[in-house]
Amino acid sequence: NAGVTQTPKFRVLKTGQSMTLLCAQDMNHEYMYWYRQDPGMGLRLIHYSVGEGTTAKGEVPDGYNVSRLKKQNFLLGLESAAPSQTSVYFCASSYSRVSGVSYEQYFGPGTRLTVT
Amino acid sequence: ELKVEQNPLFLSMQEGKNYTIYCNYSTTSDRLYWYRQDPGKSLESLFVLLSNGAVKQEGRLMASLDTKARLSTLHITAAVHDLSATYFCAVYNNNDMRFGAGTRLTVKP
Repeated sequence: NAGVTQTPKFRVLKTGQSMTLLCAQDMNHEYMYWYRQDPGMGLRLIHYSVGEGTTAKGEVPDGYNVSRLKKQNFLLGLESAAPSQTSVYFCASSYSRVSGVSYEQYFGPGTRLTVT
Repeated sequence: ELKVEQNPLFLSMQEGKNYTIYCNYSTTSDRLYWYRQDPGKSLESLFVLLSNGAVKQEGRLMASLDTKARLSTLHITAAVHDLSATYFCAVYNNNDMRFGAGTRLTVKP
């Protein structure tokens, strides 16, 4: 099992450009999350999904959109990137109905995004 | 609004010493997590605490939860250099996860 993977690992954007970050998990998890981590801070929840086709806003959703068309994938989009979105983005997943209740959140390796 | 406060934010310890990191939160919670993060890396799960009075131990780390006081502690026993990292607590409530700012731990010989 690869666990949680994120694509790309690094990206540099110019202000106003758009991009999509891909998170994939192979653990049959129901829940998926997108976080951002700024220097010297804890993670902040951007959006989350409790199942295929459903998404909801987290603590800092402005400037981002998400989609969960397939259970194993959770996409994070930036329509018009701004320097304030320079951050490290982490994806996480949790809870499989098949393997039973587990409260662990499994994190991906992160995507380092710089917006100039 | 759910808020999480961690202290201290910076901690420099001598090897062999004991210390405690504190995590206070503002509203009732479904569960509390402790994570470790090394520089430039992702988060490594240490503990998940589910109920009042829960205590979990792994090696030199022990975590506890007091839901009435809305307080969790991460106790470090006989610190070693390999424990140098940033430690985060996070509180989960109704699909919302809030992290503390982290405690940057440095263990010196």
